[in-house]
Amino acid sequence: DQQVKQNSPSLSVQEGRISILNCDYTNSMFDYFLWYKKYPAEGPTFLISISSIKDKNEDGRFTVFLNKSAKHLSLHIVPSQPGDSAVYFCAASEAGNMLTFGGGTRLMVKP
Amino acid sequence: DTGVSQNPRHKITKRGQNVTFRCDPISEHNRLYWYRQTLGQGPEFLTYFQNEAQLEKSRLLSDRFSAERPKGSFSTLEIQRTEQGDSAMYLCASSLLAIYGYTFGSGTRLTVV
Repeated sequence: DQQVKQNSPSLSVQEGRISILNCDYTNSMFDYFLWYKKYPAEGPTFLISISSIKDKNEDGRFTVFLNKSAKHLSLHIVPSQPGDSAVYFCAASEAGNMLTFGGGTRLMVKP
Repeated sequence: DTGVSQNPRHKITKRGQNVTFRCDPISEHNRLYWYRQTLGQGPEFLTYFQNEAQLEKSRLLSDRFSAERPKGSFSTLEIQRTEQGDSAMYLCASSLLAIYGYTFGSGTRLTVV
């Protein structure tokens, strides 16, 4: 039973445009959500997070939106850059315990 | 501090052999996690420690897997009688609290032949 799902395995966007990565979850007890970025042969690196008491968090070019009623979160990257090409994982936590990850979305930003 | 260190980076072993991986977390982090990632999937939780106490193990974790964190510092993950299905990337992460985001190591890639 996958509690965190990323339904798009890949996404291709043009440099300078917006990238939108989506994530759905089923466990209503999740209270903290994170996005990680992963390059080949490296471990995932933390990107941005959001608490369930908020619906938006912004950090530079990255914004995460949370829709609790729909159990949906999204990551917006604008403007997208070729260096953003990587696999992006969303993850969720319940009460500060271990993270449950989605399956990832491979983002390709074309110059 | 150089982050989370995992050794070895790669391990090839024959089916039925035992393997052990090591993780050195960031020194001030009291939590340490082990995850497994297979191709095309996200990291899957295996177990975690707070200091030296193992607080949770995934119910998916076979009894062939055991993890330790003596003295609350480095951790080892041992897989006994390896099977081909154990082939994966084994990731270690550390944190103060999950809400601050883990810091992952680069992982140990295990190939069982």
